[in-house]
Amino acid sequence: GDSVTQMEGPVTLSEEAFLTINCTYTATGYPSLFWYVQYPGEGLQLLLKATKADDKGSNKGFEATYRKETTSFHLEKGSVQVSDSAVYFCALINQAGTALIFGKGTTLSVSS
Amino acid sequence: DTAVSQTPKYLVTQMGNDKSIKCEQNLGHDTMYWYKQDSKKFLKIMFSYNNKELIINETVPNRFSPKSPDKAHLNLHINSLELGDSAVYFCASSQRTGGAGNEQFFGPGTRLTVL
Repeated sequence: GDSVTQMEGPVTLSEEAFLTINCTYTATGYPSLFWYVQYPGEGLQLLLKATKADDKGSNKGFEATYRKETTSFHLEKGSVQVSDSAVYFCALINQAGTALIFGKGTTLSVSS
Repeated sequence: DTAVSQTPKYLVTQMGNDKSIKCEQNLGHDTMYWYKQDSKKFLKIMFSYNNKELIINETVPNRFSPKSPDKAHLNLHINSLELGDSAVYFCASSQRTGGAGNEQFFGPGTRLTVL
């Protein structure tokens, strides 16, 4: 079945460091891909998405490119801030379009 | 205005009790969902409803019964609560079922603790 694999956390960085969180997926067809972010004590917010191969999603300085050949959707940011500290989830929509399939989440902690 | 709201935010109860969590969306969406987030932050779909009709039930125990009185509401009733039901439950909605880039909007979550 469909699945998403994310790098294990936690990831600890200093402010202004470069961030990469790896995400790979297994799915039938070409599902839409998403990154959601969960700040402490809050619900999930959509960070960015991509709907087809070679699409690049971007938002708030974060980027991810849909790579069909490597079945990957890695999240990157050039310079992280303390306010980026959160849990990041990679997800895909299942083939029927009825549910999101999530990775296990990666906790990011940024210190000043 | 809150797009997807849930009540209560926190719920502490004893084993064996019956409880409900309410969810409302004011986005005019057709599809609503319940997800469970366990203590390790892992999120898994429980139910999906489209226009008040159940479209997915992911091997959730019969003690969990979703109810959709109209397409803006999807409530979750849990009978005979067990320790393993302790988790954060998230409601979500989307404009439709399926389709490229169909974004889901999440509520703030309900933290259920069963003692």
